[in-house]
Amino acid sequence: SQELEQSPQSLIVQEGKNLTINCTSSKTLYGLYWYKQKYGEGLIFLMMLQKGGEEKSHEKITAKLDEKKQQSSLHITASQPSHAGIYLCGALPTGTASKLTFGTGTRLQVTL
Amino acid sequence: KAGVTQTPRYLIKTRGQQVTLSCSPISGHRSVSWYQQTPGQGLQFLFEYFSETQRNKGNFPGRFSGRQFSNSRSEMNVSTLELGDSALYLCASSLWGPNQPQHFGDGTRLSIL
Repeated sequence: SQELEQSPQSLIVQEGKNLTINCTSSKTLYGLYWYKQKYGEGLIFLMMLQKGGEEKSHEKITAKLDEKKQQSSLHITASQPSHAGIYLCGALPTGTASKLTFGTGTRLQVTL
Repeated sequence: KAGVTQTPRYLIKTRGQQVTLSCSPISGHRSVSWYQQTPGQGLQFLFEYFSETQRNKGNFPGRFSGRQFSNSRSEMNVSTLELGDSALYLCASSLWGPNQPQHFGDGTRLSIL
C-alpha cells in the first residue's frame, strides 16, 4: 500500500517568515491533494496537483509536484497566524474506486 | 451552497455499546467517504460509498459498517465499542469519487468511556 511521509512533523515559525513542508510517497504519485485542518475540525481543501512539475498557488501558499522524486512541497510565504494548523497531503487515487491515502501531517504554529 | 454536515458533533459512549453517525453530503455529490482520525494512527480510510454501493473499504474490523441512502446521505455504525474507537470521525463528499477534491465535514468526536 502507498505511504506518505511528511516532514517536518511540526514547525514553529515567526510571523512573516517563509516555510516549506514536504510530502514524500513510497510509490509513484499520480497526483496529490493538499489540505489544511484546524484542530478538531474538518479538512479544508487547498489545492490539487495532477501533473509532474505542476505548480499551483493560492494566496500565499504554493505547492509543487515532482513526480520523479515522488514528492510534493508546500511553501508558505510571509506566514501569518491564520496559517497555523495541520497540513495534510493526500495521494490521488488512480481510479474512482480507489481509496485516498493521507500523509502523517505537519503541525504548523506561527508566533507573533 | 451548504457544506458537508455531520451529526452529532460530539458523542460519549461506553464500551460494548453501539453508535450511528450521520453524514449529509453537499447537494449533488454522490460519493461519500468516511475516515477515522486519531493522534497515533493519523487519518485512516474507512470506506467509500457511491450510489448506495460500497466501492472500497479500508482495513477495519467488521464492527465498522456503513450505508448510503438514495439521497446520498450516509451513516456509519460501530458496534461493540472499544476504548480504541475513540477518535474524530470525518465524512467527505465529492461528485464522483476520491479522484476529485473531497469536501469534509467538521467531524464527530466519539469518546468511549
